[in-house]
This record gives sequence, structure tokens and C-alpha cells, in this order.
Amino acid sequence: DTEVTQTPKHLVMGMTNKKSLKCEQHMGHRAMYWYKQKAKKPPELMFVYSYEKLSINESVPSRFSPECPNSSLLNLHLHALQPEDSALYLCASSQGIAGSGIQYFGAGTRLSVL
Amino acid sequence: AQKITQTQPGMFVQEKEAVTLDCTYDTSDPSYGLFWYKQPSSGEMIFLIYQGSYDQQNATEGRYSLNFQKARKSANLVISASQLGDSAMYFCAMRSLNSGYSTLTFGKGTMLLVSP
Repeated sequence: DTEVTQTPKHLVMGMTNKKSLKCEQHMGHRAMYWYKQKAKKPPELMFVYSYEKLSINESVPSRFSPECPNSSLLNLHLHALQPEDSALYLCASSQGIAGSGIQYFGAGTRLSVL
Repeated sequence: AQKITQTQPGMFVQEKEAVTLDCTYDTSDPSYGLFWYKQPSSGEMIFLIYQGSYDQQNATEGRYSLNFQKARKSANLVISASQLGDSAMYFCAMRSLNSGYSTLTFGKGTMLLVSP
């Protein structure tokens, strides 16, 4: 069983809605990640947090706003999304951002934007 | 720059048989890690196996083994005694192990279907 928990599993939202995705890990990892995955494609990195600070932002539109309230939690706030933002959003964590640290993924949130 | 190539979009195997999923990579870094992940239709990305570029022996984890051929820059995944539950998308990935952050680079994936 995965030790990275994502909620909700499914989310449908309109283009004017505001919603949030939540990710939680209790492995003591200090690096956390958000990925976006379209159908039949590999995951694409969006954000990287290291020790609760944003380290990497892969030129993601501002309608996606990440937040790391503490070392176990990672949120992704969504606002004014477009239909093309519909995808599987995966959270991952690892011991650190460098070295051979294995990234462990959650089960993802399937997002549909209408 | 790193690149992962998975040339098999889809593979079919019968239950209880072994199957090899191909992965070749390209990097100029002398120190790197290679990973395999499994993604069932449910969506979860499940870590399977890891191989470091300086590891002397091929990695094994239960029914999974990694056939690492450094000179050929290949890191094929071998699944022995396939089970119906092995049907999934499989991604090969790599990252540099030099100091600092390095992105996990994924291949395009191989869809494996196991038939009874």
C-alpha cells in the first residue's frame, strides 16, 4: 500500500471554481512533488518542495498554486482552470531532492474541468 | 540532458511466462540512477526497482529483475512468472546522482497485457 495519500480521488470542477488537492505522507520525507499526467503519457513535473520551501516551478500557470503547510502535507490550489487542465495529478515524496532518493507516488487525483 | 527510450508501446504475455520490457537511456553523467515504475489503470505509480550506475550487480526485487548493461546503456525490466495483476503501464525513468537537484526523466511507457 502506498504511504502517500491523495484526496480527493476524483474531482469535477467548473472553470470558475476554486478547489484544492491534498497530499499527505508520513515517511519523514523532506521533498515533495506535484506531477501532471495526461492519458497515455508519462508524468510531467510541476513543482518541487524541499524542506517546505518551493525549489522548482516548471513554468506552471499561476492558476495552479502549491502550498506546503508542513513537512507532511502538500496542497495544490486550483482556480480558473481550463478544460485542457483535465488530467491525473500525482503527488510524490522522497527523502531529499538530490541523490538516489526514490520517489514514492500517491494514487492520484483525477481532475475533470468542465 | 537525459533521455529515456522505451521502444515497445505494447507487449503481450501469457500468464506464468517471463517478459522483458526494454529501456535504453542516454546521459553524459557518470553517476545516475535508473528506476522502473508500474502504473495500473487505477492511476497509482508503484515503484518497482532501482539500479545505480555504479552498482556491480543487477538489481532484483522478488519477480522483478533489472538487466543492466552499462556499455549498451540499457536497463531492461524482466518480470518472471507473469500474473494477471501485472497488466499495467510500465515506465522506465532515470535521474542524475550528481550533487543538487535532478529531474526524474521518464520514458513514454510500455503497456503490458497478461492473458490467462
